[in-house]
Amino acid sequence: KQEVTQIPAALSVPEGENLVLNCSFTDSAIYNLQWFRQDPGKGLTSLLLIQSSQREQTSGRLNASLDKSSGRSTLYIAASQPGDSATYLCAVRPKSYSGNTPLVFGKGTRLSVIA
Amino acid sequence: DTGVSQNPRHKITKRGQNVTFRCDPISEHNRLYWYRQTLGQGPEFLTYFQNEAQLEKSRLLSDRFSAERPKGSFSTLEIQRTEQGDSAMYLCASSLGGVPNEKLFFGSGTQLSVL
Repeated sequence: KQEVTQIPAALSVPEGENLVLNCSFTDSAIYNLQWFRQDPGKGLTSLLLIQSSQREQTSGRLNASLDKSSGRSTLYIAASQPGDSATYLCAVRPKSYSGNTPLVFGKGTRLSVIA
Repeated sequence: DTGVSQNPRHKITKRGQNVTFRCDPISEHNRLYWYRQTLGQGPEFLTYFQNEAQLEKSRLLSDRFSAERPKGSFSTLEIQRTEQGDSAMYLCASSLGGVPNEKLFFGSGTQLSVL
């Protein structure tokens, strides 16, 4: 059974700092990995999707990497801003013979960027 | 707004009552997913539809839960005889196509509180 773990559970950093969020998964047989952002009491916003054949994806100040063989992904946020404060969730899409497996989520990392 | 829409945003009910939530996906998205999220946890898969067909249901979806997607458009999730353990955020997501590049778009969720 695929399990996704995110470390740390919470992180507080001063504005302007670069930071890294970690995600690990137990089974390397995946189609893709996605990073989401969730604001308190709100739904999820997709940030980046990395296909299993890719090593990284970038969007603005965000860079996500994927090392499928070791079951790890990192989300790098450059020059953090107070507006980046949110919970960041990692999710993998496990491979299966049917191809219809749903996303499996980690518990998230709650980020606070202090002005 | 062309995003995923969920109604109501909040629902407070007494134990034993029935509740129904609605999700309107992004137009032309053929897949629709329901997830449940409790405080401090990642979303957990409940069920999904491809067009009007319900293709998979999680073991989390007890007999008290039923979901429909008539005509492959909006979807409803009904919980009968609610219990306090049903209190959670119920998230809906839609997508176009399938693996390996499927990207889910989430709604803002319905927060259910069972008293």
